[in-house]
Amino acid sequence: DIQLTQSPSFLSASVGDRVTITCRASRGVASYLAWYQQRPGKAPELLIYAASTLQSGVPSRFSGSGSGTEFTLTISSLQPEDFASYYCQQTNTYPITFGQGTRLEIK
Amino acid sequence: QVQLQESGPGLVKPSETLSLTCTVSGGSVSSSGNYWSWIRQPPGKGLEWIAYISYNGGTSYSPSLKSRVTMSVDTSKNQVSLNLNSVTAEDTALYYCARYSGHHWTFDYWGQGTPVTVSA
Repeated sequence: DIQLTQSPSFLSASVGDRVTITCRASRGVASYLAWYQQRPGKAPELLIYAASTLQSGVPSRFSGSGSGTEFTLTISSLQPEDFASYYCQQTNTYPITFGQGTRLEIK
Repeated sequence: QVQLQESGPGLVKPSETLSLTCTVSGGSVSSSGNYWSWIRQPPGKGLEWIAYISYNGGTSYSPSLKSRVTMSVDTSKNQVSLNLNSVTAEDTALYYCARYSGHHWTFDYWGQGTPVTVSA
């Protein structure tokens, strides 16, 4: 299985901050990497697919980059509704796997 | 707008079979390019992919669960189902149904999840 390791696992930041979350794959996944946001008590929501393509309706402050084994999710200016958990996910090689998650909290 | 609604027993005894149903609205389970998946999340933990079934009935299962899992589709009811047998406490989780898009291979629509506790 391909292991996805996110860093950091926990992040404390303030409204207006720029934050970056990294996802590293144990083997190359090309650009078959997606990012999800999960607010407390809610189902995950797709933010980005194909490493850098913004899902329809997702604010432009979210962006993704990377290919192969290293990927980043950047939020350019944190808004109150962005404080949530974030997961990366790969579908280059089965089984489909997720990162362990990054919890983003208000400082 | 595709909507998914999971349903299940809530509580299952150890060694028994867990059966969950996902009812799809706003789209057809048999539409070409659609895949339907189950994902679970143990309390306070991350996401684990379980399985998917394609629009034409083909299946793919996580190797770690493959020996215990079966997915099926009922086109007349526009539902997909999951059976997980020989459950243990480690199967306690929130179980999500999600559409796995064949366009960009991601989970683009999710249900709200149904909680399952395995306990005697």
